[in-house]
Amino acid sequence: EAGVVQSPRYKIIEKKQPVAFWCNPISGHNTLYWYRQNLGQGPELLIRYENEEAVDDSQLPKDRFSAERLKGVDSTLKIQPAELGDSAVYLCASSLMVNTEAFFGQGTRLTVV
Amino acid sequence: DAKTTQPNSMESNEEEPVHLPCNHSTISGTDYIHWYRQLPSQGPEYVIHGLTSNVNNRMASLAIAEDRKSSTLILHRATLRDAAVYYCILSKAGTYKYIFGTGTRLKVLA
Repeated sequence: EAGVVQSPRYKIIEKKQPVAFWCNPISGHNTLYWYRQNLGQGPELLIRYENEEAVDDSQLPKDRFSAERLKGVDSTLKIQPAELGDSAVYLCASSLMVNTEAFFGQGTRLTVV
Repeated sequence: DAKTTQPNSMESNEEEPVHLPCNHSTISGTDYIHWYRQLPSQGPEYVIHGLTSNVNNRMASLAIAEDRKSSTLILHRATLRDAAVYYCILSKAGTYKYIFGTGTRLKVLA
């Protein structure tokens, strides 16, 4: 069974440009998470979806970040415009339902120059 | 949200047991204890979780103190592939909101 798939693996952009990350969760997993991980730190939750509904987006910087999960399956995370401080690894995870094991993708490493 | 405290780093010899400690003195009665690990350039990987009783699975064992204020992840025979950052995380039942700390970086010596 395929795991959580994220693309791209790496992205380098200039500041003020937009960028988007894509995540395909494990089939049948209702819960989807986006995390950001800065160098040397643990992942930080940005947003959690239950099916297509964002149920926890309190940590998402809404002035420049947006996310969507169409039809409760794939999800995209967008940053517009990107800032230097947005350089990090963006991780997507999914779980069958809340309170079950979460499976993480390999992440997208974003570098803003 | 309750916090966890872990040593920044630990070392172990290959093929020996490893005990990774975690303190969570402000844990509440409904908080689950989860352990994840992150290998270099990978996303975190589930290891084990528990509530009150000790737990065993194919990867590790979780020993939970009677007062639940601390726990220990036990790798019975460390291998070079176990070198990773190990995170101890608390989450309330029904919320599954993980708050990761900085974890313990485990180095396994050949």
